[in-house]
Amino acid sequence: NAGVTQTPKFQVLKTGQSMTLQCAQDMNHNSMYWYRQDPGMGLRLIYYSASEGTTDKGEVPNGYNVSRLNKREFSLRLESAAPSQTSVYFCASSEAENTGELFFGEGSRLTVL
Amino acid sequence: LAKTTQPISMDSYEGQEVNITCSHNNIATNDYITWYQQFPSQGPRFIIQGYKTKVTNEVASLFIPADRKSSTLSLPRVSLSDTAVYYCLVGYTYSGAGSYQLTFGKGTKLSVIP
Repeated sequence: NAGVTQTPKFQVLKTGQSMTLQCAQDMNHNSMYWYRQDPGMGLRLIYYSASEGTTDKGEVPNGYNVSRLNKREFSLRLESAAPSQTSVYFCASSEAENTGELFFGEGSRLTVL
Repeated sequence: LAKTTQPISMDSYEGQEVNITCSHNNIATNDYITWYQQFPSQGPRFIIQGYKTKVTNEVASLFIPADRKSSTLSLPRVSLSDTAVYYCLVGYTYSGAGSYQLTFGKGTKLSVIP
């Protein structure tokens, strides 16, 4: 099993460009999450999807949109990238929304110039 | 959301037991306490979770006092490969309004010295 797979692993954007980070899990989990991690900081929740067909804002949702395409896939879109969105983005999944055991992907490093 | 406080960093020699304490004064009745480990350039990895008293698994123990306002992660006989950042998380209560959140603090950077 691959677990949680994120693409791309690295991306450089210019200010104002758009892009989508893709995430897929093969563990048949119901809940999926997007976090960002800035240097020397903990992870901050951007958006989450408790189950297929639902999405909710986390701590720092501004500037992002998400789509829960199906049970396996949860994408994060930056419509107009800004330098403040330079970060490492982690996708995670869990069996249900009320469990503390999250499984994380390897991360996607995004630089916005 | 319950806020957690952990030491920013700790050093330990190989073979020693390491205890990392996390305080969470406003933990809610339904909240669980979970610890994660993160290596550089990797996503966090689940270590252990508990609600009260003591929980032990193959890699760590978690001690939670009766008032649940703090918790201690215990790593027995650490090795160099245990050098990582350790995060304490509190809060898995799901509200009907969809405000479920799992918040990571800055964590504790553990450095294991040969």
